[in-house]
Amino acid sequence: QSVLTQPPSVSGAPGQRVTISCTGSSSNIGAGYDVHWYQQLPGTAPKLLIYANTNRPSGVPDRFSGSKSGTSASLAITGLQAEDEADYYCQSYDSSLSGVVFGGGTKLTVL
Amino acid sequence: QVQLVQSGAEVKKPGSSVKVSCKASGGTFSSYAISWVRQAPGQGLEWMGGIIPIFGTPNYAQKFQGRVTITTDESTSTAYMELSSLRSEDTAIYYCASHGGNSLDNWGQGTLVTVSS
Repeated sequence: QSVLTQPPSVSGAPGQRVTISCTGSSSNIGAGYDVHWYQQLPGTAPKLLIYANTNRPSGVPDRFSGSKSGTSASLAITGLQAEDEADYYCQSYDSSLSGVVFGGGTKLTVL
Repeated sequence: QVQLVQSGAEVKKPGSSVKVSCKASGGTFSSYAISWVRQAPGQGLEWMGGIIPIFGTPNYAQKFQGRVTITTDESTSTAYMELSSLRSEDTAIYYCASHGGNSLDNWGQGTLVTVSS
């Protein structure tokens, strides 16, 4: 059971917009700790996609965006492309556990 | 840009230990934290622990306390993760990652550890 809760799967057609939610609690996201998002393509290491809630590292398309409110965060992907098909993970810090915590991951299928 | 290169795949017997290395290049090794994350087959990411080389004191996830040891060698810019008392459930890909704040900015390629009798 992951500390952060994500939907197991989401799907969308090419060109559409999808969102992935990440729900935490008062000891992690709700405590003000930043949320980060990772993309993991099949057979590869995770890659940082969004850091500190809303920021994109250099090279990440602006089709990817992040937001945070209260005890939750969201990743939005617009203009879906076949290459976006991957697993997505949210991550934060938990003060009760004194460590990094992840969501269980969401598999994005591009129809 | 920090680059992380990990040691190769391992096959271990139940009850034994494994030590995985992670060699860093780029950046100042002593100034950023290194975390270890594992991923069991078909499963999600699980944080095991981390260390800031300049401080040298590791922080372990409760689940792995007593079984995992994370160390660094600043002379070779290498981090190590040793996991003991291996069992079949420890079969996984083990990743090292460097921190930028609390985010994991750069990842190693992963090391597959297989625990089998």
